[in-house]
Amino acid sequence: SQTIHQWPATLVQPVGSPLSLECTVEGTSNPNLYWYRQAAGRGLQLLFYSVGIGQISSEVPQNLSASRPQDRQFILSSKKLLLSDSGFYLCAWSRLGGEETQYFGPGTRLLVL
Amino acid sequence: GQQLNQSPQSMFIQEGEDVSMNCTSSSIFNTWLWYKQDPGEGPVLLIALYKAGELTSNGRLTAQFGITRKDSFLNISASIPSDVGIYFCAGTVNSGGSNYKLTFGKGTLLTVNP
Repeated sequence: SQTIHQWPATLVQPVGSPLSLECTVEGTSNPNLYWYRQAAGRGLQLLFYSVGIGQISSEVPQNLSASRPQDRQFILSSKKLLLSDSGFYLCAWSRLGGEETQYFGPGTRLLVL
Repeated sequence: GQQLNQSPQSMFIQEGEDVSMNCTSSSIFNTWLWYKQDPGEGPVLLIALYKAGELTSNGRLTAQFGITRKDSFLNISASIPSDVGIYFCAGTVNSGGSNYKLTFGKGTLLTVNP
């Protein structure tokens, strides 16, 4: 069976500090990978998606970047965090080849102070 | 872009009651998904619908893909306290190579009073 992991679970960072959140998927190959942000108030905003190693598409202009160094690893980064980067970050995966169903990780709660 | 209108925004019900929520769009969707999110956790897939008119059940949950392909509903029967959470609808439009992007509703917050 497939599993998706995210870490850390919770992070408190000062404004201006760097960020690195990691997501890994087990039990599948060549997944599509996604990063979402969920602010208070519930809506999910797609930040990045990737259909393969080194292939990143950005959905919204922002202070964040994403990388996919390995097939089942997806990283969300920032060089300098802003207060507005606080939120709940969710990683998700779907099967390559047109299946739309996405499966979410447990999330990372980020608080920028 | 596509938008999903999910209603109601919140519901307060008594244990044992049935619940109904829905999503509508002005665009035609070719997939409808329903997720539940518990506080502090990632959304969990409840039901996936792939064909117009499809009616699918998962225990006490039933969801349908509207025949017009512009709407979907989720029903929960005989609610229990652990049904508490935020329910999201999501879907994809028929956009060729971009099928991997989901559009999400804003969620329905369900509270169940024991």
